[in-house]
Amino acid sequence: AQKVTQAQTEISVVEKEDVTLDCVYETRDTTYYLFWYKQPPSGELVFLIRRNSFDEQNEISGRYSWNFQKSTSSFNFTITASQVVDSAVYFCALSEAWSGNTPLVFGKGTRLSVIA
Amino acid sequence: DAGVIQSPRHEVTEMGQEVTLRCKPISGHDYLFWYRQTMMRGLELLIYFNNNVPIDDSGMPEDRFSAKMPNASFSTLKIQPSEPRDSAVYFCASSLMARGHEKLFFGSGTQLSVL
Repeated sequence: AQKVTQAQTEISVVEKEDVTLDCVYETRDTTYYLFWYKQPPSGELVFLIRRNSFDEQNEISGRYSWNFQKSTSSFNFTITASQVVDSAVYFCALSEAWSGNTPLVFGKGTRLSVIA
Repeated sequence: DAGVIQSPRHEVTEMGQEVTLRCKPISGHDYLFWYRQTMMRGLELLIYFNNNVPIDDSGMPEDRFSAKMPNASFSTLKIQPSEPRDSAVYFCASSLMARGHEKLFFGSGTQLSVL
């Protein structure tokens, strides 16, 4: 069965610090998709990135970067030079492909507080 | 282009009352999902539809919960009778799963409080 673990429940950093949010996943499938979503205080979940299991290339988007390592079943998310607007709950999610398009299974989220 | 629209934004009701949550997915999306978010359990999938047909309702907690999708542009999640432990944020999401795993677009959620 698929499972996503975000061991960090809450993280607090001072503005401009770098911060890494950890995500470890479990799946028996060889084809799967990993996602990160952001939930700001307004409540709506916002898509950040999707990765398929065959693409281990790390990705950078502005201050955001993602490190996908199949060997450790991890898909970690780093925010460089954090800002107060980055304060939110961040969710990692997994979708297996063996039976078609299976729904996302989410981790419990990491609450990030960036302090000015 | 309008996103996923949920109503109401907030609902406060008394135990035993019927509650109906509403969702309008993004036009053209053929998958619709209902998720529930609580502090203890995080985001849980309750049910999802493909082309208005329920595909998997194994996440529905019990018979008090029911969901319908009478057409491509509307879905409801009903709780009858409601209980205090149903208090949570309920999210509706839609996606277009043509090939691969498309991202989900979420509504703003309904904050439900059952007193």
